[in-house]
Amino acid sequence: ETGVTQSPTHLIKTRGQQVTLRCSSQSGHNTVSWYQQALGQGPQFIFQYYREEENGRGNFPPRFSGLQFPNYSSELNVNALELDDSALYLCASSGGVRAFFGQGTRLTVV
Amino acid sequence: QKEVEQNSGPLSVPEGAIASLNCTYSDRGSQSFFWYRQYSGKSPELIMSIYSNGDKEDGRFTAQLNKASQYVSLLIRDSQPSDSATYLCAVNMGRSGAGSYQLTFGKGTKLSVIP
Repeated sequence: ETGVTQSPTHLIKTRGQQVTLRCSSQSGHNTVSWYQQALGQGPQFIFQYYREEENGRGNFPPRFSGLQFPNYSSELNVNALELDDSALYLCASSGGVRAFFGQGTRLTVV
Repeated sequence: QKEVEQNSGPLSVPEGAIASLNCTYSDRGSQSFFWYRQYSGKSPELIMSIYSNGDKEDGRFTAQLNKASQYVSLLIRDSQPSDSATYLCAVNMGRSGAGSYQLTFGKGTKLSVIP
């Protein structure tokens, strides 16, 4: 157990819809990162939040957006879902020497 | 484009043998390197981190780093069937500072340990 909790664990959405994924970071960790892992690929960095501000972004379009709350939990929002957005979405929290991953949210877009 | 390359495998080794996993990275300025293990359908689990040239041992695992060659490896001694998983090499591309772990991952190497 890493102390990082993601919800929901599984989700099915229709192309064009919007989705919000949630992450509770490990106690004491003020940094949350989001990753997308397509089948058979390594995780790809989407963006990172540090003390409620975006602290870096990977090569993802603006329809991927996020938020971090004062308690350091975080949301990932994806608008106008596409079939290629089907993936495992991973949240990682860090506050020192390592990053810990949550169990992930499996998103299927049909 | 900062990249991390791994052989996708699959790599098959007999139980009790040494499994050797390799990784190269493109950003010469990278400072911290990680190996994650990922079982099918699960999230990545950190098994080793390494920051300076040389070897770092933890139980049956040894990580090796050569910054001049931009090369990281993971050795698993006395491989067990429970080690069968995908091993992901990750390099921190984030700015320095506590918590700024912005990881670039390789595609992973699938390891099968045959009983």
